[in-house]
Amino acid sequence: EDQVTQSPEALRLQEGESSSLNCSYTVSGLRGLFWYRQDPGKGPEFLFTLYSAGEEKEKERLKATLTKKESFLHITAPKPEDSATYLCAVQGRQGAQKLVFGQGTRLTINP
Amino acid sequence: GAGVSQSPRYKVAKRGQDVALRCDPISGHVSLFWYQQALGQGPEFLTYFQNEAQLDKSGLPSDRFFAERPEGSVSTLKIQRTQQEDSAVYLCASSLATGGNSPLHFGNGTRLTVT
Repeated sequence: EDQVTQSPEALRLQEGESSSLNCSYTVSGLRGLFWYRQDPGKGPEFLFTLYSAGEEKEKERLKATLTKKESFLHITAPKPEDSATYLCAVQGRQGAQKLVFGQGTRLTINP
Repeated sequence: GAGVSQSPRYKVAKRGQDVALRCDPISGHVSLFWYQQALGQGPEFLTYFQNEAQLDKSGLPSDRFFAERPEGSVSTLKIQRTQQEDSAVYLCASSLATGGNSPLHFGNGTRLTVT
């Protein structure tokens, strides 16, 4: 069974303080690892897809990386508007259409 | 263009009532998914449609849950005889392709509260 574990559950940072969020996964044949951002009362918003170990993608202050067992979402010099819950999900070869999500990391950036 | 639209945004049901939740996917999107999200948790898969065909319903928690997409666009998730444990946000998502690598676009969900 595909599984995703995210850590930490919650993270508070000061504005400008860089850090990383972790996503550990087990999957029977990875088709893709996805990062989403979710604001309160909203649906998840797509950020990145990573397909193979060693791949990296960047968007503004966010960079996602992938190994065979985990993915990191690095946030550089965050701003208060980066506060949100960040969700990681995997798509495996079994049940290939569905995403299996982690429980999310709730990120708060204090001004 | 418009994103995924869900209605109603909020629904309060008395225990034992039936409810119907609607999803309007992005026009032209072939794949449609329903997810259930409990407070403080990540979304959990319920069911998947490719056009009008329901190809995976392995995540539906009981036979009280039923989903349909009769014309391959709008979808309805129906919950019969609601229970308190059904209280959650129900998210709908659509994607353009049938392959595994097309990102899902989510609606803002319907928050169901069963009293």
